Amino acid sequence: EDQVTQSPEALRLQEGESSSLNCSYTVSGLRGLFWYRQDPGKGPEFLFTLYSAGEEKEKERLKATLTKKESFLHITAPKPEDSATYLCAVQGKILTGGGNKLTFGTGTQLKVEL
Amino acid sequence: DAGVTQSPTHLIKTRGQQVTLRCSPISGHKSVSWYQQVLGQGPQFIFQYYEKEERGRGNFPDRFSARQFPNYSSELNVNALLLGDSALYLCASSLDGFYGYTFGSGTRLTVV
Repeated sequence: EDQVTQSPEALRLQEGESSSLNCSYTVSGLRGLFWYRQDPGKGPEFLFTLYSAGEEKEKERLKATLTKKESFLHITAPKPEDSATYLCAVQGKILTGGGNKLTFGTGTQLKVEL
Repeated sequence: DAGVTQSPTHLIKTRGQQVTLRCSPISGHKSVSWYQQVLGQGPQFIFQYYEKEERGRGNFPDRFSARQFPNYSSELNVNALLLGDSALYLCASSLDGFYGYTFGSGTRLTVV
């Protein structure tokens, strides 16, 4: 069964204090690793998809990297508006039906303070 | 362009009742997936539909059912509601059920 573990559960940073969020995973046949941002009461907002080990993607202050067992979301010089829950998910094949599903971790709740 | 539209946004039901949640995908997207997110947890997969056919089902009881219509919109039905069904129900739209999932804002269901 596909599994995703995210750490830390919560992270408090000062504005400008860079850090990294971790996502460890096990999946039979990775079909993509996804990072989403979720604000309270809202649906997840897509950030990145990574497909193979060694791949990296960047967007503003965020950079996602992927190895065979884990992914990191690096946040450089964060601002208060980066405060949110960051979710990691792996896409795997559904054996009966042939579709695909995302298996999510429980998220890292990030708070960036002035 | 309109994103993924879910209705209603909030709903309060009594134990034992039935509920129908609706989702309109992004124009041109042919796949819809449903997820349940309990407070403090990550979303959990319920169903995936592509071209009106069920392509997969998660570990949920038969009280949960869904369908996709010719215009690619979808409904999620939950019968015999339990208190534990209280959650944020999310719909994800995808062009082909593989690349790029865009989520709606969800329907917050409260069972009392």
